[in-house]
Amino acid sequence: DGGITQSPKYLFRKEGQNVTLSCEQNLNHDAMYWYRQDPGQGLRLIYYSQIVNDFQKGDIAEGYSVSREKKESFPLTVTSAQKNPTAFYLCASSTGGRNTEAFFGQGTRLTVV
Amino acid sequence: AQKVTQAQTEISVVEKEDVTLDCVYETRDTTYYLFWYKQPPSGELVFLIRRNSFDEQNEISGRYSWNFQKSTSSFNFTITASQVVDSAVYFCALSDLDGFGGKSTFGDGTTLTVKP
Repeated sequence: DGGITQSPKYLFRKEGQNVTLSCEQNLNHDAMYWYRQDPGQGLRLIYYSQIVNDFQKGDIAEGYSVSREKKESFPLTVTSAQKNPTAFYLCASSTGGRNTEAFFGQGTRLTVV
Repeated sequence: AQKVTQAQTEISVVEKEDVTLDCVYETRDTTYYLFWYKQPPSGELVFLIRRNSFDEQNEISGRYSWNFQKSTSSFNFTITASQVVDSAVYFCALSDLDGFGGKSTFGDGTTLTVKP
């Protein structure tokens, strides 16, 4: 079945460590996105990519990094520079047009202790 | 700048009640798109509906209906005869000239609890 796969579902890391969240899609979508969701808040855009080997910062990019070496993959690294990394992270993809909806993965819940 | 406001943080109803989720948006663009997504406890957001700024017709899909009013910048969502399976967080989102696909502005969401 076509869709977006995020792994792992739960992730625990010690403070000061970098951690990479995986996102893979087999929908043949050009655009991919990373969102952060905190309790009681909406989704905030971290990074997005409209095409392979290109990506743009979203509203809260500080302390995060991404790469887009393949169309189907868009991994997110949460670096030690991110001051409050504990959150729920959602990856999404779309065909890229302004009128198109996004397809979301099931998310990764990151807890930093 | 664009903004989406979902003033209702949490709503609790008893099964079979009708419930309306409010969404108010702000944008300076004349062409834009509005979306509703559902986030069940599993965490994955599921697309429900898209509406463009030139189409003010209301839409009904089974027990779901949407009321789009440009005059009040609102795009409200009504669930008729609610069911326990409707319990979820619902997000309204806006995509305007600066947006595309998933690059939308999301509201903070409304948590709907339907009790049996």
